[in-house]
Amino acid sequence: QKEVEQNSGPLSVPEGAIASLNCTYSDRGSQSFFWYRQYSGKSPELIMSIYSNGDKEDGRFTAQLNKASQYVSLLIRDSQPSDSATYLCAVTKRNQGGKLIFGQGTELSVKP
Amino acid sequence: GAVVSQHPSWVICKSGTSVKIECRSLDFQATTMFWYRQFPKQSLMLMATSNEGSKATYEQGVEKDKFLINHASLTLSTLTVTSAHPEDSSFYICSARAGESNQPQHFGDGTRLSIL
Repeated sequence: QKEVEQNSGPLSVPEGAIASLNCTYSDRGSQSFFWYRQYSGKSPELIMSIYSNGDKEDGRFTAQLNKASQYVSLLIRDSQPSDSATYLCAVTKRNQGGKLIFGQGTELSVKP
Repeated sequence: GAVVSQHPSWVICKSGTSVKIECRSLDFQATTMFWYRQFPKQSLMLMATSNEGSKATYEQGVEKDKFLINHASLTLSTLTVTSAHPEDSSFYICSARAGESNQPQHFGDGTRLSIL
């Protein structure tokens, strides 16, 4: 079992729809959770960070964390073609110096 | 805020050359910097973690004599690929983090290295 798992996609949604990206993690001791966006040929860009159970909203993005289910998600409202990218879920674990454990990424395609 | 600058963006050089890549945190002090490598269509692979003023900690399988890391100040880390060969061609990305280990990493724009 991978430490952080994401559906690799591709996930295709029409413009204006809600895109839902999911991530599960295996270590209950994971302490910090991040979503990064990576455009093809570019480096990752931080979208959201979340540390406690519940929802966190930032503009069109909402991150949701459920530690009991070991599940973190990212919702993108009013999806735009410019949102088309690979979304990386990353977690940190205790006593590992803040190393990011990445999922394999979900490729999102927003169709005009 | 949280801008990380990486230089150069592209390097093309001959086999056997040593190449230095710089990573700077422009608007914050980076207690820890990380160096990654990414091959096409693959995930980011952590190469090493460096803390200011300390020796870098390398991941298993990464040759520390091949990939020299220096983190001389709270805003600058460098990666030197020594005697580079074609198999070292890759996308090298640094990240920087301020404060505690639960804080996010902010990534530089990456350096595309091509060894002929």
